[in-house]
Amino acid sequence: DGGITQSPKYLFRKEGQNVTLSCEQNLNHDAMYWYRQDPGQGLRLIYYSQIVNDFQKGDIAEGYSVSREKKESFPLTVTSAQKNPTAFYLCASTLGKTYNSPLHFGNGTRLTVT
Amino acid sequence: GQQLNQSPQSMFIQEGEDVSMNCTSSSIFNTWLWYKQDPGEGPVLLIALYKAGELTSNGRLTAQFGITRKDSFLNISASIPSDVGIYFCAGRGGATNKLIFGTGTLLAVQP
Repeated sequence: DGGITQSPKYLFRKEGQNVTLSCEQNLNHDAMYWYRQDPGQGLRLIYYSQIVNDFQKGDIAEGYSVSREKKESFPLTVTSAQKNPTAFYLCASTLGKTYNSPLHFGNGTRLTVT
Repeated sequence: GQQLNQSPQSMFIQEGEDVSMNCTSSSIFNTWLWYKQDPGEGPVLLIALYKAGELTSNGRLTAQFGITRKDSFLNISASIPSDVGIYFCAGRGGATNKLIFGTGTLLAVQP
């Protein structure tokens, strides 16, 4: 079955360490996105990529970095510069290069930094 | 900036009751999406709306794109325990045409 796979499901890190969250899709979707979810808040866009080797900052990109070397993969690195990294991270994709088609989400990675 | 208000924040109902939740925007939207999120999982698309006045059903769920293009509602009829979760609206439009998410409605259904 086609879908979006995020790994790991849970991730624990010490403060000051960089950590990379994996996102892979086999839907042949063009665009991929990373969102952050905090309790009581709507999803906030971190980064998105509409095409391989290209990506744009979202609303809260500071302290994060991404790469898009392959169409099916869009890893997110949470750097030590991110002041409040503990959150639920969601990866999503769309068939088209813009938001015109609905987002399809992975099952998320819960990151806890202590 | 654009704002998207979703209400209510939470609902605690008995099985069999109908549910209604809505989202309002400070600007005109051209797309409304409704998602459901189970605990620890990613949101799943329930209904997509692309036209003002559009009324779309998906089983016991019905959603409408408001005529003013600044609001949308989601109704769930005859709720069942598996309806439990967080329901999010998302809209796109305004000057940036970005997708914006509401803060979610937590639904609890008591058998």
